[in-house]
Amino acid sequence: NFMLTQPHSVSESPGKTVTISCTGSSGSIASNYVQWYQQRPGSAPTTVIYEDNQRPSGVPDRFSGSIDSSSNSASLTISGLKTEDEADYYCQSYDSSNYVVFGGGTKLTVL
Amino acid sequence: QLQLQESGPGLVKPSETLSLTCTVSGGSISSSSYYWGWIRQPPGKGLEWIGSIYYSGSTYYNPSLKSRVTISVDTSKNQFSLKLSSVTAADTAVYYCATTVAAPWWFDPWGQGTLVTVSS
Repeated sequence: NFMLTQPHSVSESPGKTVTISCTGSSGSIASNYVQWYQQRPGSAPTTVIYEDNQRPSGVPDRFSGSIDSSSNSASLTISGLKTEDEADYYCQSYDSSNYVVFGGGTKLTVL
Repeated sequence: QLQLQESGPGLVKPSETLSLTCTVSGGSISSSSYYWGWIRQPPGKGLEWIGSIYYSGSTYYNPSLKSRVTISVDTSKNQFSLKLSSVTAADTAVYYCATTVAAPWWFDPWGQGTLVTVSS
């Protein structure tokens, strides 16, 4: 079964840059699109990146997504960190049978 | 713009069937552009995809839940529904419905979610 693995938690200071990884268990993560969602406590997830590196309208350009085929990983990078960026972040993709998979989530602490 | 709202019982007894409905507003569930999905999140845990459906009735289910899940669509009411049978405490979760698009299977927007507790 295809799985996506994320670090459980990351932390960084305001104004800095943080990168959250999402590693595919098999196949090529570059073969299928990856999305990233932000979830604040008590709220539904919202999209920050779709189709690997596209930002929905309203998402600041401090958020960017990329794919690294050599490590079979996707990454979410947030620059100029703000305290409001503190949240859980989930990557999501799918396999060749169109079964959707979410990563386990990463808790971002901005301190 | 599309808006989704989940509804259904907040408490279900073990071994019974969990039933939820998602009402879509701001657009037609019969749109050829979208699929409609269910995702759940146990308290304090991560997101789990349950399944997705097209207005024609074509479905994709999470293999780990497939034997217990039925997702259906009612185009006359602009709704789609989830049934999960033989529930246990492990099925206690916030259940979200969401709009999705085939490959990339990007979920947006999401409903606000509804907590379903499985307990006697």
